[in-house]
Formats: sequence, C-alpha cells, structure tokens
Amino acid sequence: DAGITQSPRHKVTETGTPVTLRCHQTENHRYMYWYRQDPGHGLRLIHYSYGVKDTDKGEVSDGYSVSRSKTEDFLLTLESATSSQTSVYFCAIRPEGQPQHFGDGTRLSIL
Amino acid sequence: SQELEQSPQSLIVQEGKNLTINCTSSKTLYGLYWYKQKYGEGLIFLMMLQKGGEEKSHEKITAKLDEKKQQSSLHITASQPSHAGIYLCGALPGAGSYQLTFGKGTKLSVIP
Repeated sequence: DAGITQSPRHKVTETGTPVTLRCHQTENHRYMYWYRQDPGHGLRLIHYSYGVKDTDKGEVSDGYSVSRSKTEDFLLTLESATSSQTSVYFCAIRPEGQPQHFGDGTRLSIL
Repeated sequence: SQELEQSPQSLIVQEGKNLTINCTSSKTLYGLYWYKQKYGEGLIFLMMLQKGGEEKSHEKITAKLDEKKQQSSLHITASQPSHAGIYLCGALPGAGSYQLTFGKGTKLSVIP
C-alpha cells in the first residue's frame, strides 16, 4: 500500500461548475503528480509538484490548476468544468529513488 | 517530445500461451517502466529498466531493453487469467527528469 488516497472516487457534475479533486499521501514524499487517462490517449500528465507551493505544468494543463499548501495534499481544480474534461484522473507519488506509485483514480463525468 | 508506441493495442490469448508486448520510443530511453492496470483500478508497478541490454524477470513476466535503448519488450510465459489487464510502458524523457511519458497501453485478455 503506497499510502495514496484520492477523493472523491466518482463524481458527476454539470458543465461550468467548479470541481476539486484531492490527492492525499501519508508518507510526506516530495513529488506528486496528476494525470488523466482517456481512451486512445493513454495516460497524460496534467500538473506535478516538487514541494509545498512548488508546482509546474504538464502536457495537458490548460483548464486545470493545482495547489499544494501541505506536503500531504495535492489538489486539482477545474475552475469551470467542460465536457472534454470527462475522464479518469490519477494521482501519483514518487518516493525518493523509486518509481511512481499511483492512486486508485477518480472517475469524473461532466454533463 | 518523446513518444512511446505500444504494440499490439490489444491481445487475446488462450490460457497457457506465451505473449509479447512491445514499446518503441522515438528517442533514447533514459529509464523505461512497465505498469499493469486492472479495470477500475490504479497502475501497479512491474519493472524498471535503465541499461541497454538489461533484462529483468518477476514470476512469469520478463522485460528487456534493447542495446540501443529505444525499444522494450514485455514477455509473459504460460499466461494465466490473472495476467489480464492493461499494460503500459512509461519513459523518462531525459537524465534528471522525473516526468514520465506513457504509451497508450496494451489490453490483454486471457481466455481460460
């Protein structure tokens, strides 16, 4: 168990509403990542963090923002959700010297 | 940017058969990771390869990285229903980088 919890696990919301997904880790690792997984596209990096208040953009960051005010929490926010953001979202941590470990995912549907 | 192409996209095999999944990079690989994903779940780390010619095994799964470090293969011997899932390769774009780029995955079904 890598100690990663994603919440919520499932969410259905409407276009134009704000949505925040939470990733919580229990082990105080420095690096945390947010990915989205879509059929035909595989897993793509949205944003990542390398410390408290230190974040950077990934491949598909448009329409998303992140925040990390505590080591253990990495939040992903969709300010105004669109149908194209319907996806499965995965959080990952990277323990020092080890490969990334993934959470169980959040299935987000935007109607 | 680095692109990873996986083949085949999907695979259906009879239990007990061997199979191979390939991952080809457009650039030299500085680290190649194999993950497995079951439906509705997160990714489980299988193996990491870094050196040209490297080969690693875990139970009935063997992964290899070619000498030129641009292609990796994942071989499963005597497949079982428990091997079913999506296999993804991920790569580091360069030395000192920690952002993985992933292939689109290979969906494996094993028929009892």
